[in-house]
Amino acid sequence: EAGVVQSPRYKIIEKKQPVAFWCNPISGHNTLYWYRQNLGQGPELLIRYENEEAVDDSQLPKDRFSAERLKGVDSTLKIQPAELGDSAVYLCASSPGGTGANVLTFGAGSRLTVL
Amino acid sequence: DAKTTQPTSMDCAEGRAANLPCNHSTISGNEYVYWYRQIHSQGPQYIIHGLKNNETNEMASLIITEDRKSSTLILPHATLRDTAVYYCIAMSGGYQKVTFGTGTKLQVIP
Repeated sequence: EAGVVQSPRYKIIEKKQPVAFWCNPISGHNTLYWYRQNLGQGPELLIRYENEEAVDDSQLPKDRFSAERLKGVDSTLKIQPAELGDSAVYLCASSPGGTGANVLTFGAGSRLTVL
Repeated sequence: DAKTTQPTSMDCAEGRAANLPCNHSTISGNEYVYWYRQIHSQGPQYIIHGLKNNETNEMASLIITEDRKSSTLILPHATLRDTAVYYCIAMSGGYQKVTFGTGTKLQVIP
């Protein structure tokens, strides 16, 4: 079974340019997460989806970041325009959802460098 | 979700058991303890989780104290490939706003 797939793995852009990251979660996983990880820090949650609904986006900088999860499967995270401080690794994760124990499976991440 | 506290870094000799502690003194009754690890340039990888009882799988063992205020992840025979950052997380079922913290950087020494 394929894991969580993310693309691109690496992206280098100049500031003020737009960038988009794509995530394909594990089949059947209802919950999808986007995290940002700065160098030397743990992952920080940006947004969480339950199926196609964004249920927690309190940490998403809404002035420049947007996300969507069409049909409750794949998801896209967009930054427009990018700033120097957006350089980080963007991680996507998915989980089955529901009550009880809920294990997250992460993708390899998309490393963004803003020049 | 309860906050967890971990040492910043630890060393372990190859072949020896690695014991990684985690303090979660404010954990509530319905919060599980999860452990993930992150090897350089990869996403975090699930290791093990538990609620009250000790748990063991093919990767590790999890020992949770009776009062549930702390736990220890045990890698029974550490290898060089176990060098990674290990995250301990306390999280209730259903709601998954996970705070990872900075974890413990485990260095396995040959």
